Amino acid sequence: DAGVTQSPTHLIKTRGQHVTLRCSPISGHKSVSWYQQVLGQGPQFIFQYYEKEERGRGNFPDRFSARQFPNYSSELNVNALLLGDSALYLCASSKDWLDYGYTFGSGTRLTVV
Amino acid sequence: AQKVTQAQTEISVVEKEDVTLDCVYETRDTTYYLFWYKQPPSGELVFLIRRNSFDEQNEISGRYSWNFQKSTSSFNFTITASQVVDSAVYFCALVSPNFGNEKLTFGTGTRLTIIP
Repeated sequence: DAGVTQSPTHLIKTRGQHVTLRCSPISGHKSVSWYQQVLGQGPQFIFQYYEKEERGRGNFPDRFSARQFPNYSSELNVNALLLGDSALYLCASSKDWLDYGYTFGSGTRLTVV
Repeated sequence: AQKVTQAQTEISVVEKEDVTLDCVYETRDTTYYLFWYKQPPSGELVFLIRRNSFDEQNEISGRYSWNFQKSTSSFNFTITASQVVDSAVYFCALVSPNFGNEKLTFGTGTRLTIIP
């Protein structure tokens, strides 16, 4: 069975641009969470989605948004990119909203120049 | 508020030595879950263990063991007879069921280097 799939694996963007990151959860998993990991730090929670609805939001500006599709895949969008948005963006899936059996993908490494 | 502290930023040990990674957590909730993840250079977070707050039994899985002590709010991780493949960054994390914000709170990680 395929694990959590994230695309692209690497991305370079210019300040002010917009970026879309994608995540496909494990088959059968209905919940997707997004985390930002700045170099040298632990991952920070951005969003959790379950059944296409936002179930949790971390302390991130409104430039960050996300959505979940009927097939449970998800997109993370970041507008007006700043240098500080450079990070590894990790997606995690779990079977249900309150299931803490998270499986993480390998992440998308975003560099903003 | 929840917090996870991993005071050891980097640890280096010679292969076959035992090593313990420390984790101290803070939460006001009585129900919570604690995790350990391994992050190799590829970036993926690899799940190692999950414990709930009502189960203080220590656990052993092969060369890995975990010591959960609620009295000191600690959840330490020991690798016995370390191997080069154990080199990675290890994260301790905490989640409290909150019906609205089921987020993992991570520590800052401990970079473990096993010297051949």
